[in-house]
Amino acid sequence: AQSVSQHNHHVILSEAASLELGCNYSYGGTVNLFWYVQYPGQHLQLLLKYFSGDPLVKGIKGFEAEFIKSKFSFNLRKPSVQWSDTAEYFCALPRGTASKLTFGTGTRLQVTL
Amino acid sequence: KAGVTQTPRYLIKTRGQQVTLSCSPISGHRSVSWYQQTPGQGLQFLFEYFSETQRNKGNFPGRFSGRQFSNSRSEMNVSTLELGDSALYLCASSSWGSGGAVIHEQYFGPGTRLTVT
Repeated sequence: AQSVSQHNHHVILSEAASLELGCNYSYGGTVNLFWYVQYPGQHLQLLLKYFSGDPLVKGIKGFEAEFIKSKFSFNLRKPSVQWSDTAEYFCALPRGTASKLTFGTGTRLQVTL
Repeated sequence: KAGVTQTPRYLIKTRGQQVTLSCSPISGHRSVSWYQQTPGQGLQFLFEYFSETQRNKGNFPGRFSGRQFSNSRSEMNVSTLELGDSALYLCASSSWGSGGAVIHEQYFGPGTRLTVT
């Protein structure tokens, strides 16, 4: 069975600090991965996606993620966070080519001024 | 392009009642998925519809059902509501099945917040 785990449930950072949120997956098939973000009061938005090819993926708003197959990981990074990055971040694994997403439990990021 | 819209945005129902939620996908998208979001269980997949057919189903009881119309709009229904059904119900649409890329990202609506009392 496929699964996604996010071990950081709540992260508090000061503005300008670097960010790394962990995501580990378990899936025996071809792996594709997404990171979604949910800002307070807003709907889920796609931050970035990995389909194949270059394991370092760049997304919107300065976010990037690295797919490391040997570690079953797809960690999200940002070199310098801003107060506006305060949100909940979800790692998600689509099942094959279907539209069924398995989500991690989410990481709540709080950025302080 | 207009995004995914969901109506109503908020609902309060009493235990035992039933409820119908509506979702209009992005124009041209034929795949519609539903998710339940709760603080305890996170985001869980309910079901997916494509061309009026349910293609995937999550692990929810039969009280949860859905349908899709010929214009790709979708509804989900929950019968005999329980307190534990209180959640944010999210609808997502994608262009899966319309050719092109192998994987199609899903675009989410704002959700319907259902409170069962």
